[in-house]
Amino acid sequence: DGGITQSPKYLFRKEGQNVTLSCEQNLNHDAMYWYRQDPGQGLRLIYYSQIVNDFQKGDIAEGYSVSREKKESFPLTVTSAQKNPTAFYLCASSRGTRGYTFGSGTRLTVV
Amino acid sequence: LAKTTQPISMDSYEGQEVNITCSHNNIATNDYITWYQQFPSQGPRFIIQGYKTKVTNEVASLFIPADRKSSTLSLPRVSLSDTAVYYCLVGDEDSSYKLIFGSGTRLLVRP
Repeated sequence: DGGITQSPKYLFRKEGQNVTLSCEQNLNHDAMYWYRQDPGQGLRLIYYSQIVNDFQKGDIAEGYSVSREKKESFPLTVTSAQKNPTAFYLCASSRGTRGYTFGSGTRLTVV
Repeated sequence: LAKTTQPISMDSYEGQEVNITCSHNNIATNDYITWYQQFPSQGPRFIIQGYKTKVTNEVASLFIPADRKSSTLSLPRVSLSDTAVYYCLVGDEDSSYKLIFGSGTRLLVRP
């Protein structure tokens, strides 16, 4: 079955550490996205990529970095510059507005 | 991009029909209206999309008046499992990379 796989499901980070969240899709979608969701809030766009080797900042890109070396993969690195990284992170891919498919999310906690 | 406004929360009982209205006064000619559903700790999933008049699928109906400045998601005979957050989004194919998920509408279905 086609879909998006995010890993790990839970991640714990120490202060000052960088961590990388994995996102892989086999839907052959060109566009991929990373969103952040805080408790009781909507989704906020961190980064998005429309094609391989190209990506753009979303609304809250500071403290995050991404790469898009392969169509299937769009990893997100949460750097030590992100002051409040504890949140639920969602990866998605799409073919147009209807084709948004989300992964199951990664819950990141700073310890 | 057109901004959307939805009620923050709604309550209903099992077996009732639920109508969630979304306002999008600045909708553009090429914009489609799309609704997503999100359960706790999961990614949103597509429910329905429309451009004008009425669209119906196996889970919901979408009513769009002629001026398209609002839309109503209708869930027939809700069950407890319909308790979720519902997001209304507006955008066209060119702006799909920047879809904005607001806070959505939290629907609570009671027994």
